Amino acid sequence: GAGVSQSPSNKVTEKGKDVELRCDPISGHTALYWYRQSLGQGLEFLIYFQGNSAPDKSGLPSDRFSAERTGGSVSTLTIQRTQQEDSAVYLCASSAGRREKLFFGSGTQLSVL
Amino acid sequence: DAKTTQPPSMDCAEGRAANLPCNHSTISGNEYVYWYRQIHSQGPQYIIHGLKNNETNEMASLIITEDRKSSTLILPHATLRDTAVYYCIVRVASNDYKLSFGAGTTVTVRA
Repeated sequence: GAGVSQSPSNKVTEKGKDVELRCDPISGHTALYWYRQSLGQGLEFLIYFQGNSAPDKSGLPSDRFSAERTGGSVSTLTIQRTQQEDSAVYLCASSAGRREKLFFGSGTQLSVL
Repeated sequence: DAKTTQPPSMDCAEGRAANLPCNHSTISGNEYVYWYRQIHSQGPQYIIHGLKNNETNEMASLIITEDRKSSTLILPHATLRDTAVYYCIVRVASNDYKLSFGAGTTVTVRA
């Protein structure tokens, strides 16, 4: 596709369940980012992938959060044992390189009941 | 890391120029100023960036002061579709792939 694609667009889950959020970056983009945006707040950096380098996981809020990027393309953000404070919009972005502009997807709205 | 200061909100009349200020008084010499915007229910969208010189593209103009301590994003002819939150970001030099998004300026364009 022409842009960054995220799925699902909305996810409602029960507290304690695991969720997986998917991101398809723009073809050829080597850098991929995950951000989180709570209601009315700015964006919070979670994790960064660049090519085959080890990802920068410094923004992950707890060990319940993990992310993978397979084959240098699709990425999955997994949240285990979800909590109500995990409710937010999870945004994925990709760029052609570490200093290039970011292209964002429309996000996944996660609601933990 | 340089931080930015933006007014929380501003209104603009449709068809008029919108001038969005940003202060970044602690910016380092090799740090760029980036502007993104976020329209409701969408991911942020890149607008423009610059280092020292003024920049212009199809969306906006960026004016950076000579001392680089502040900048202004100019939307030359604001439309209702320009209503959004506008983020002024200084790219973190030591980890230059990260963008730190603050609260931004909520711009409302009124007919």
